[in-house]
Amino acid sequence: ETGVTQSPTHLIKTRGQQVTLRCSSQSGHNTVSWYQQALGQGPQFIFQYYREEENGRGNFPPRFSGLQFPNYSSELNVNALELDDSALYLCASSLDRGTYEQYFGPGTRLTVT
Amino acid sequence: GQSLEQPSEVTAVEGAIVQINCTYQTSGFYGLSWYQQHDGGAPTFLSYNALDGLEETGRFSSFLSRSDSYGYLLLQELQMKDSASYFCAVRGTGAGSYQLTFGKGTKLSVIP
Repeated sequence: ETGVTQSPTHLIKTRGQQVTLRCSSQSGHNTVSWYQQALGQGPQFIFQYYREEENGRGNFPPRFSGLQFPNYSSELNVNALELDDSALYLCASSLDRGTYEQYFGPGTRLTVT
Repeated sequence: GQSLEQPSEVTAVEGAIVQINCTYQTSGFYGLSWYQQHDGGAPTFLSYNALDGLEETGRFSSFLSRSDSYGYLLLQELQMKDSASYFCAVRGTGAGSYQLTFGKGTKLSVIP
């Protein structure tokens, strides 16, 4: 157990809808990263938040957006859902943005139909 | 950009030793990490190498050769619970240095 929690565990949405996924970081961690993991693939970096500011972004379109709150919990929002957005979404918290060790939550399994 | 190559599957016998290789191509390099992920579970951090050489943590060791852009994870005294996917990951330098890029993973099956 890493102390990182995510909600919901599973979610089914329809193409075109919007979704919000939530992450609660490990206590004392000020950095959160979000990843998309397709079946049989490695996690793919979406973006990172450090002290409530976006600190880096991977190759994902603007319809993927995020927030980090003063208590360092975080949200991932995806607009205009597409079938290819079906994946496991993982958040990972770390002590600081330069820390190499990341603590992953259990993920949210999103299915888009 | 960054890319990593690792074998897709490895099978080994309980009690044996197995090595999972990882080669990478990066525009900059800050370190190589290894993560373990059981089916349906979250990735968990195993090790990190920033400098050349071997890092040992219990039954697991990780090696890095920056000149060869190559690393490996060594698992000794394999146990059934080691059956999982193993990912190598790199951080680059400069813009995107906080981005962790993962390989596609190696599925390790430990058989009796």
